[in-house]
Amino acid sequence: KQEVTQIPAALSVPEGENLVLNCSFTDSAIYNLQWFRQDPGKGLTSLLLIQSSQREQTSGRLNASLDKSSGRSTLYIAASQPGDSATYLCAVRDSTLTFGKGTMLLVSP
Amino acid sequence: GAVVSQHPSRVICKSGTSVKIECRSLDFQATTMFWYRQFPKQSLMLMATSNEGSKATYEQGVEKDKFLINHASLTLSTLTVTSAHPEDSSFYICSAGSAGSFYEQYFGPGTRLTVT
Repeated sequence: KQEVTQIPAALSVPEGENLVLNCSFTDSAIYNLQWFRQDPGKGLTSLLLIQSSQREQTSGRLNASLDKSSGRSTLYIAASQPGDSATYLCAVRDSTLTFGKGTMLLVSP
Repeated sequence: GAVVSQHPSRVICKSGTSVKIECRSLDFQATTMFWYRQFPKQSLMLMATSNEGSKATYEQGVEKDKFLINHASLTLSTLTVTSAHPEDSSFYICSAGSAGSFYEQYFGPGTRLTVT
């Protein structure tokens, strides 16, 4: 059964810092990996989707990488802003979509 | 991107009553819909998967008689929590996928259920 782990569980940084969120998964036979953002009490916003054949995807200040063979992905956020404060969820798709518990990010002004 | 709506966004009900949550795909035909439950500071847990016109497939440990799922059309799925109890209080999120994009799911904004 696929298991997804996200480290750290929580992260607090001052505005302007670059940061990395980590995601690992146990079964490398995946179709894709997706990073989501979830604001408190809200649904999910898809940030980046990386197909299994891809190594990375970029959108604005966000860059996600995928190393399928080692079962790892990272989400890099450049020049963090207070508006980036949210929980970031990693999810991998094999026969189903399995989520990690998320990293709660707080960016202070 | 595709838009999925949920209604209501929040609901409070008394123990023993039933609550229905609607999930709609607004601009595409959702051949498959997924229902998730999320407890505080926990991950989303898949409860069931439903294909339009078919019975839902429930994940292990999810009571099908308690969580009734109907997917009668390509744009609407409903989740009914029957005889709700306080332990059913949670955040319920639906997701929809279409036959043409099996590997991508679009998520609704969620419904906060509180059972008193």
